[in-house]
Amino acid sequence: EAGVAQSPRYKIIEKRQSVAFWCNPISGHATLYWYQQILGQGPKLLIQFQNNGVVDDSQLPKDRFSAERLKGVDSTLKIQPAKLEDSAVYLCASSLLILGAGELFFGEGSRLTVL
Amino acid sequence: QKEVEQDPGPLSVPEGAIVSLNCTYSNSAFQYFMWYRQYSRKGPELLMYTYSSGNKEDGRFTAQVDKSSKYISLFIRDSQPSDSATYLCAMSEGDYKLSFGAGTTVTVRA
Repeated sequence: EAGVAQSPRYKIIEKRQSVAFWCNPISGHATLYWYQQILGQGPKLLIQFQNNGVVDDSQLPKDRFSAERLKGVDSTLKIQPAKLEDSAVYLCASSLLILGAGELFFGEGSRLTVL
Repeated sequence: QKEVEQDPGPLSVPEGAIVSLNCTYSNSAFQYFMWYRQYSRKGPELLMYTYSSGNKEDGRFTAQVDKSSKYISLFIRDSQPSDSATYLCAMSEGDYKLSFGAGTTVTVRA
């Protein structure tokens, strides 16, 4: 079974530039998450999708971050304009269900450096 | 106060030692408790998962939950160099939205 795919793995940009990250979840997983992991910290949820609808985006800085999940499969996370504090690893995860408990499957992450 | 506090480490232990990792939490609504392992430059992967107070064993790993004290632990017996990683505790209220600790980096020396 293929895992969660993310690209690009690494991106270096200057502040005020824009960047986009792509995620393809595990086939059949209805729920998709974007997490931000700053160096030395645990992952923090940015946004959660159920199919192509947003379930929770309360911690997404909406003035600069946007995310979409067209057709309920792939997802894109965009940052525009980037700030120095956006330097982090952006992790995409997916799960089969939304309620109860079980495993979240994470991709390898997209590492962003903002100069 | 953070919702989940994790002992920061880092920990460096000799091969064969017992590793003890700990987290405390403040949200009484947390029902599910997990430990994720994250190797360098990789995504987290689920290691252990439990929802009740008490101990759960899986091979060399034991997860312990004390809901009355809001405290969870992970023990690694007979540690191996391949156990060198960052260990993240995570908790949820049952809706898959995980609250993570900051992680503890463990190095097992051969």
